[in-house]
Amino acid sequence: EAGVAQSPRYKIIEKRQSVAFWCNPISGHATLYWYQQILGQGPKLLIQFQNNGVVDDSQLPKDRFSAERLKGVDSTLKIQPAKLEDSAVYLCASSPGGEKLFFGSGTQLSVL
Amino acid sequence: EDKVVQSPLSLVVHEGDTVTLNCSYEVTNFRSLLWYKQEKKAPTFLFMLTSSGIEKKSGRLSSILDKKELFSILNITATQTGDSAVYLCAILPYSGAGSYQLTFGKGTKLSVIP
Repeated sequence: EAGVAQSPRYKIIEKRQSVAFWCNPISGHATLYWYQQILGQGPKLLIQFQNNGVVDDSQLPKDRFSAERLKGVDSTLKIQPAKLEDSAVYLCASSPGGEKLFFGSGTQLSVL
Repeated sequence: EDKVVQSPLSLVVHEGDTVTLNCSYEVTNFRSLLWYKQEKKAPTFLFMLTSSGIEKKSGRLSSILDKKELFSILNITATQTGDSAVYLCAILPYSGAGSYQLTFGKGTKLSVIP
């Protein structure tokens, strides 16, 4: 079974630039999550989708972060403009439903 | 606000040792506690615990939950170098329909040396 695919693996940008991350969940998984993991911290939920609808985006900094899941499959997370404190690993996870999440390998973002 | 505290934050042991990782939590409306192993970047699921006193076991790993004292432990016996990873504990409360907002601890970084 193919896992959660994310790209790119690494991204280096300068502050105030824009960046986008892509996630393809496990086939058939209706629920998709984006997490932010800052070095030395646990992952923090940014947004949860159920199919193509948003279930929870209470911790998404909406002034600069946006996410979409068109057609209820792939998802993109965008940051515009990026700040130094956005440097982190961005993890995508999917689930067929329930508590057990399957994580991708993440995108490591460095903002200089 | 839900809170998860893991200890120790890092641990170095020799192959063959037994280790115990700790996770204490505060949550308004407990649903379940989960353990993940994070090697490099992708966390992988280990256990989900919902009831006190019932040990979950998988090979050399085991975990138990104490809902009265609000903590869980993860035991690894006969450690191997492949056990080197960050072990994450997460708490899941009951919230809105379909919402599964996990709160993670900072993790325990385990290093197993030959």
